Amino acid sequence: GAGVSQTPSNKVTEKGKYVELRCDPISGHTALYWYRQSLGQGPEFLIYFQGTGAADDSGLPNDRFFAVRPEGSVSTLKIQRTERGDSAVYLCASSLIGAETQYFGPGTRLLVL
Amino acid sequence: GQNIDQPTEMTATEGAIVQINCTYQTSGFNGLFWYQQHAGEAPTFLSYNVLDGLEEKGRFSSFLSRSKGYSYLLLKELQMKDSASYLCAVRDDKIIFGKGTRLHILP
Repeated sequence: GAGVSQTPSNKVTEKGKYVELRCDPISGHTALYWYRQSLGQGPEFLIYFQGTGAADDSGLPNDRFFAVRPEGSVSTLKIQRTERGDSAVYLCASSLIGAETQYFGPGTRLLVL
Repeated sequence: GQNIDQPTEMTATEGAIVQINCTYQTSGFNGLFWYQQHAGEAPTFLSYNVLDGLEEKGRFSSFLSRSKGYSYLLLKELQMKDSASYLCAVRDDKIIFGKGTRLHILP
């Protein structure tokens, strides 16, 4: 079956621009997570959805970052007024509620010039 | 605060055994994960421990001691394809990852 997919796989943008990153979780998975990973670091938690609602958004670094999941499936991470420090790999993962295994997507590599 | 420590890099020989340690200090604990991540790829799930003791799964085993805030991942009969980063992660109210241990396998 299909795994977690993320688009685009790579995104190059200029400082100050707006970007949207998309995540398609595994069908039937109600939990969805966004992480950010910089080179040589582990994934850094950003936000967690249960269904349509953000159950925990404490990892979002500032108000330039926002994520939605309007129908409880696909999620979009939105970054306004991008900064060079936002450059990283943005990972999405999904899991069944109550299950412990998270399945990660391939990530979106964001480069802000 | 939340803190997860694991060695930055380790080197081992093909066919040998290696143990990767992880210590954690978190405000809560609801389980510990180990993930494998090859360069340029997404993490893949290896193991999950919630109770003390050793969980064995093929060539990989994971151990947990909650009282010591300590876990290890044991890899046996190392293969070249095991060269990767190994991530320790603790579930509190969310999942917190360590920085990962980069494992190099020598022929």
